[in-house]
Amino acid sequence: NAGVTQTPKFRVLKTGQSMTLLCAQDMNHEYMYWYRQDPGMGLRLIHYSVGEGTTAKGEVPDGYNVSRLKKQNFLLGLESAAPSQTSVYFCASSYSPGRADNEQFFGPGTRLTVL
Amino acid sequence: AQSVTQLGSHVSVSEGALVLLRCNYSSSVPPYLFWYVQYPNQGLQLLLKYTSAATLVKGINDFEAEFKKSETSFHLTKPSAHMSDAAEYFCAVSSQYSSASKIIFGSGTRLSIRP
Repeated sequence: NAGVTQTPKFRVLKTGQSMTLLCAQDMNHEYMYWYRQDPGMGLRLIHYSVGEGTTAKGEVPDGYNVSRLKKQNFLLGLESAAPSQTSVYFCASSYSPGRADNEQFFGPGTRLTVL
Repeated sequence: AQSVTQLGSHVSVSEGALVLLRCNYSSSVPPYLFWYVQYPNQGLQLLLKYTSAATLVKGINDFEAEFKKSETSFHLTKPSAHMSDAAEYFCAVSSQYSSASKIIFGSGTRLSIRP
């Protein structure tokens, strides 16, 4: 099993450009999450999904959109990138029924720089 | 509301020495507590978790943590540090009253090991 994979690993954007980050998991998990990691701030939840076709806002959703068209994939979009979105983005997934003590499994991250 | 405070953004110990990483939590309901580890250029991995069973929790690689309700603490320890323990460690909190989306991460502690 590959676990949780993320594409791409690195990306540099100019202000105003758009891009999509892809997350895929092969563990048949219902819940998927997108986090951003910034120095000294830990991980902050951007958006999450409790199942195929559903999405919800997390702690810092502004400037991002997500889609979960297939159970195994969770896409994070930036419509108009800003320098404040320079960060490392992590995707994670967890087992249904999404109990709060379930382990989250993380991908390797995408390092995004917005110039 | 729940929160986590990790004392010390950077801890340095000698190889073979005791590792102690501090975590204090705030929660109005009985918490679930987690320690995750992030090795360089990788995603987070679960080290151990407390879910209201035994207060002393053992995890992978000889790490353990003790839940102390009176001190609202969940400090992570390892008797003898190895060079391979160099990583960033995150404490996190949720509760049985939270959905799987409500896991709050601390800001992280970077552990360095001196030869």
